[in-house]
Amino acid sequence: QKEVEQDPGPLSVPEGAIVSLNCTYSNSAFQYFMWYRQYSRKGPELLMYTYSSGNKEDGRFTAQVDKSSKYISLFIRDSQPSDSATYLCALWGSSNTGKLIFGQGTTLQVKP
Amino acid sequence: DAGVIQSPRHEVTEMGQEVTLRCKPISGHDYLFWYRQTMMRGLELLIYFNNNVPIDDSGMPEDRFSAKMPNASFSNLKIQPSEPRDSAVYFCASSLSGANEQFFGPGTRLTVL
Repeated sequence: QKEVEQDPGPLSVPEGAIVSLNCTYSNSAFQYFMWYRQYSRKGPELLMYTYSSGNKEDGRFTAQVDKSSKYISLFIRDSQPSDSATYLCALWGSSNTGKLIFGQGTTLQVKP
Repeated sequence: DAGVIQSPRHEVTEMGQEVTLRCKPISGHDYLFWYRQTMMRGLELLIYFNNNVPIDDSGMPEDRFSAKMPNASFSNLKIQPSEPRDSAVYFCASSLSGANEQFFGPGTRLTVL
């Protein structure tokens, strides 16, 4: 079993839709939860960063962590064509020292 | 700051040749990471350094791969001999600490014929 599971998609939605991206994980030691966004032919860049269970909002983006269920989500409201990218969840726990564990990534396409 | 710098951006080589990928991390960052990304396997951590010292190389696929960080501003990843299955995008990333944001370079797209 992989440490982090993420549906690779692709996911295609119309402009303005609400998008839900999800990851599940198996190791309860993970403490930090991140979402990276990767545009085509570019390196990943950090989008959201959360430490504890609950919600964190940044503009149209909301990151949600449920440690009891080992489930993390990223919601995108009013999706735009510019949101078309691959979204990777990434987890870090003290037992892994400097090592981030990345999900497979979900490819999102927002159609105008 | 210019961000993480990687060279070359593209590399096409023939099977059996040595390949050297280079990385300059962001100044002041203590951690440096080498990743490989493919469609099949996603983003895989190959090795990471803390203060120029290799900490975890368990992701290095085999002895054909080696990485060094001779100083705080440079690292290289070598593949010798290269094989077609090594074709992938190789990313270098750096961060202030393990839990901090990792800043990725633009990647090197390697094709081994």
